[in-house]
Amino acid sequence: GQQVMQIPQYQHVQEGEDFTTYCNSSTTLSNIQWYKQRPGGHPVFLIQLVKSGEVKKQKRLTFQFGEAKKNSSLHITATQTTDVGTYFCAGLIDSGAGSYQLTFGKGTKLSVIP
Amino acid sequence: DGGITQSPKYLFRKEGQNVTLSCEQNLNHDAMYWYRQDPGQGLRLIYYSQIVNDFQKGDIAEGYSVSREKKESFPLTVTSAQKNPTAFYLCASSVRADSYEQYFGPGTRLTVT
Repeated sequence: GQQVMQIPQYQHVQEGEDFTTYCNSSTTLSNIQWYKQRPGGHPVFLIQLVKSGEVKKQKRLTFQFGEAKKNSSLHITATQTTDVGTYFCAGLIDSGAGSYQLTFGKGTKLSVIP
Repeated sequence: DGGITQSPKYLFRKEGQNVTLSCEQNLNHDAMYWYRQDPGQGLRLIYYSQIVNDFQKGDIAEGYSVSREKKESFPLTVTSAQKNPTAFYLCASSVRADSYEQYFGPGTRLTVT
C-alpha cells in the first residue's frame, strides 16, 4: 500500500544542537503536514506544505517540501528542552474519486539532553 | 469552548467484550477519523468519514466498526474480533478531507485483559 517513511525513529541531541527528520513517500503527495506529539499528549498540527519546493519557517523550525512532492524535512535549529516530543509527517494522498487519505509516518522521537 | 472530546480517558475491558469509544466535536467539521497508536508504529488509520452517513475503511479496519449518524459524533466500536485491541485510540476531525489539517482529541487508552 501507499507508505510514508520517516527517519530517524529516534534522535538524542544535546541542547543547542540542530535536529532534522526526513519523510519520503512512495507516491506524489497533494500536501504534507507536520505534527508534534508531546509525551503523554496528542498530536498537534504544526504546518502544511502544498507547493513543490516550498519552504516555510516557524521561529527555529524550517520545513521543506521536495520538488517532486514526494519528500519533506523538518529542521530545528538550536534545540531546546521544550522541543522534546515525537514529530510526525503526514502525506495527503488523492485516492481517486474524491477520496483523500492522510498517511502518517511512524514519527521521530526527539530527546534533548540539557 | 470548541474542540474534540473523547471519553473515557482510560478504559479497561475483559477479552471477548465489545467496547464503544466516544468522539464528539463541536468544530462543525465535515470529516472525522479514528487512529490507533502503538509504540513505534505511529498513527494507523482505522476508519474515516468525509460526511454524515458515510464512512470508509482505513488501513486496519478489521475488528472495528463505526457509525456517523450525526455530524458531531463518530463513535468507534472495538469488537471481540479485534485480535490485539489494547492500544491508544485517537479521534480527529478536519474541515474537509481534501486538504485541511486534522485536530486531535486527547485520546482513549484501552486495555483489554
